Amino acid sequence: NAGVTQTPKFQVLKTGQSMTLQCAQDMNHEYMSWYRQDPGMGLRLIHYSVGAGITDQGEVPNGYNVSRSTTEDFPLRLLSAAPSQTSVYFCASSQLAGGYNEQFFGPGTRLTVL
Amino acid sequence: KQEVTQIPAALSVPEGENLVLNCSFTDSAIYNLQWFRQDPGKGLTSLLLIQSSQREQTSGRLNASLDKSSGRSTLYIAASQPGDSATYLCAVRPDFGNEKLTFGTGTRLTIIP
Repeated sequence: NAGVTQTPKFQVLKTGQSMTLQCAQDMNHEYMSWYRQDPGMGLRLIHYSVGAGITDQGEVPNGYNVSRSTTEDFPLRLLSAAPSQTSVYFCASSQLAGGYNEQFFGPGTRLTVL
Repeated sequence: KQEVTQIPAALSVPEGENLVLNCSFTDSAIYNLQWFRQDPGKGLTSLLLIQSSQREQTSGRLNASLDKSSGRSTLYIAASQPGDSATYLCAVRPDFGNEKLTFGTGTRLTIIP
């Protein structure tokens, strides 16, 4: 199993540009989520999904869009990038059934918006 | 709103020492708590998950304890090694069926050879 994969690893955008961060998992996990990590602020939840066709907002959703057309993929879209979106983005997944369900994280995408 | 705190933000100890990392949370109504390790420029690796009904979980040289009523968890690392140098994060999950994690800001651990 590859686990949770993310592409690209690094990206530089100009203000106003759009892009999609890709996330895929091969563990057949129902739950997938996106976090951003900023210095001194910990990881904060952007959007999450409990299955194909179902998404919801987390703590900091503004400026981001998601969709979940398959169990495996959960892309994060920046519609019009802003310098405040400079951050490291992590995708995570876990099973939903049962209680002992660890969350598994991808390697991250480091995004810089100029 | 749940808040998770990890103090100290950074810690340096000589190789071979046993050490304890702390995690505190304001709302004791949690379902479980997960400890992660993050190496510089890398993603998060799950170390231990401890359910709210458990007091301890162990994996190798790591032992996590949970005192839900007082809102505290500790991660004990025995016989520390330079390879243990990393940032350690704790995260709490609020309830069954709710996977949203609230993270602490982490403790950056350096093991001095």
